[in-house]
Amino acid sequence: AQKVTQAQTEISVVEKEDVTLDCVYETRDTTYYLFWYKQPPSGELVFLIRRNSFDEQNEISGRYSWNFQKSTSSFNFTITASQVVDSAVYFCALSQAGTALIFGKGTTLSVSS
Amino acid sequence: DAGITQSPRHKVTETGTPVTLRCHQTENHRYMYWYRQDPGHGLRLIHYSYGVKDTDKGEVSDGYSVSRSKTEDFLLTLESATSSQTSVYFCAISGLGWADTQYFGPGTRLTVL
Repeated sequence: AQKVTQAQTEISVVEKEDVTLDCVYETRDTTYYLFWYKQPPSGELVFLIRRNSFDEQNEISGRYSWNFQKSTSSFNFTITASQVVDSAVYFCALSQAGTALIFGKGTTLSVSS
Repeated sequence: DAGITQSPRHKVTETGTPVTLRCHQTENHRYMYWYRQDPGHGLRLIHYSYGVKDTDKGEVSDGYSVSRSKTEDFLLTLESATSSQTSVYFCAISGLGWADTQYFGPGTRLTVL
């Protein structure tokens, strides 16, 4: 069965700390996509990144970076030098043929000044 | 940002009344989705549409119906609202189905008393 696990329910850090949000997925398919979304306190869902199963290159976008490792079925998200504006709920999600987009339960990140 | 609007943004209703939520897009995307978000459950798919008049059920479709008579509009109806349907409802769109990124609307907060 397909599943996404975000074991960290809540994380609290102080500004400028680095923080990594873990995402572990389960699937039997060889072709799939992984996503990260951000939900700030205002409530909207903001798309951050999409990665396909054949591309294991890490990605960096400003202070954000993503580490995709098929060997451990993980797609972790790191925020470098966190800021208060990074406070949000972050969702990891899995998509594959014939199924809906499957979300993890989310990690709430609180960044204090 | 993807052009997706939801109406109403907030609604309070009473048990047993019918409720219709509207999702409107200006992106001409083929796929549209309705999710509900509840604490402890993350986001779960209710129904989706893969074209005008083409819809299918998701994980939590009981008590809900949908209609899509135009590409740009996707309606979610609760025929007889129950308190268990109190939730935040999100609409999403994508161009190419499961392999594509889903972009989300701002959400509708529904309270059933």
